[in-house]
Amino acid sequence: GQNIDQPTEMTATEGAIVQINCTYQTSGFNGLFWYQQHAGEAPTFLSYNVLDGLEEKGRFSSFLSRSKGYSYLLLKELQMKDSASYLCAVRDQYGNKLVFGAGTILRVKS
Amino acid sequence: ETGVTQTPRHLVMGMTNKKSLKCEQHLGHNAMYWYKQSAKKPLELMFVYNFKEQTENNSVPSRFSPECPNSSHLFLHLHTLQPEDSALYLCASNGGGRGTGELFFGEGSRLTVL
Repeated sequence: GQNIDQPTEMTATEGAIVQINCTYQTSGFNGLFWYQQHAGEAPTFLSYNVLDGLEEKGRFSSFLSRSKGYSYLLLKELQMKDSASYLCAVRDQYGNKLVFGAGTILRVKS
Repeated sequence: ETGVTQTPRHLVMGMTNKKSLKCEQHLGHNAMYWYKQSAKKPLELMFVYNFKEQTENNSVPSRFSPECPNSSHLFLHLHTLQPEDSALYLCASNGGGRGTGELFFGEGSRLTVL
């Protein structure tokens, strides 16, 4: 089966750092994705990990440990515009399907 | 401009109506997807098409009928829906050997069934 868990909501302060965790148990694995979705908008691609380790892209970084079935998204120097839902998704071993978690709603306060 | 365009953005229909959602992608992708997004639930995969052929039907009720006339267009025909079908329906595309294979999403069609 497929199971992807992430916290429902988080709140952080502008300028701070926040880490959003994602754990997964899936029957196959061919990469993990993070998406950002603002209210009323399309999800947009943030990052991709297929090997263990940290991928950094500007203020956003994503980490993967395949042996632990664990990933996190790290957001630095938080801005108000970072308030959004963050979706963790795992691609199956055939490369066709993405299975999504329910998303983490991040609220950034001033 | 997301490259994936969905129409209509909002739709209200009665349970006896027939309507269709349309998706068009201008990215040269060869795979297209329908996802359902309900409040506080994970995005739920409904259908997958590769090169116009349906490769995945995730046990979707027959009141949802997809159609993919070519690799750039995808439809979702709706008939005799139930109020619990009210949700955001997202179209996505990928493929063509470029990038990491990430999905590119449209803005979605917000459906309300009365």
